[in-house]
Amino acid sequence: EDKVVQSPLSLVVHEGDTVTLNCSYEVTNFRSLLWYKQEKKAPTFLFMLTSSGIEKKSGRLSSILDKKELFSILNITATQTGDSAVYLCAVPFAGTASKLTFGTGTRLQVTL
Amino acid sequence: ETGVTQTPRHLVMGMTNKKSLKCEQHLGHNAMYWYKQSAKKPLELMFVYSLEERVENNSVPSRFSPECPNSSHLFLHLHTLQPEDSALYLCASSQDLGREKLFFGSGTQLSVL
Repeated sequence: EDKVVQSPLSLVVHEGDTVTLNCSYEVTNFRSLLWYKQEKKAPTFLFMLTSSGIEKKSGRLSSILDKKELFSILNITATQTGDSAVYLCAVPFAGTASKLTFGTGTRLQVTL
Repeated sequence: ETGVTQTPRHLVMGMTNKKSLKCEQHLGHNAMYWYKQSAKKPLELMFVYSLEERVENNSVPSRFSPECPNSSHLFLHLHTLQPEDSALYLCASSQDLGREKLFFGSGTQLSVL
């Protein structure tokens, strides 16, 4: 059965800190891994990773995939209070793009 | 205007009520989805539609009835719900079935009393 596990479940950091969020997966016919940010209700897309070892970057956020060890990390540098959110990781179920399996998410709180 | 709009934002209903959730996407996408997000649980896929045809029904109880009259609109009709159905119901769309990048609406927070 396809599985996505995120860690830690929650995290509290001070503004300016760097954080690393983890996502490990077990899936048949790996196709891609996606990261989303859920601030209040609507998850918003951050990254989609398909190739091992290639870092995707957007401002202070970056992500990388390790297909051999079956995990991905999401890094946020110089955190701001606006980064407070739940970060979700997802993989297509059995390689079917239309069926995403999500992890339970990491709740990040950035304090002043 | 956001790409995917859901109404209502909040809904409280009794177990014997009938209500409907509405989703509209303005992105020109061909695939639409219903997801359920319960407290402390991962998002669960409920239904998938492609060009108004249902292509996935993920073992969802019949008290949830989806409807897709056209590629821009998706409804979820609710009837005789249980308290454990209380959750955030999220609608999403993608360009087509072969694209895993989803665009989500803000959801309907449903409470069943």
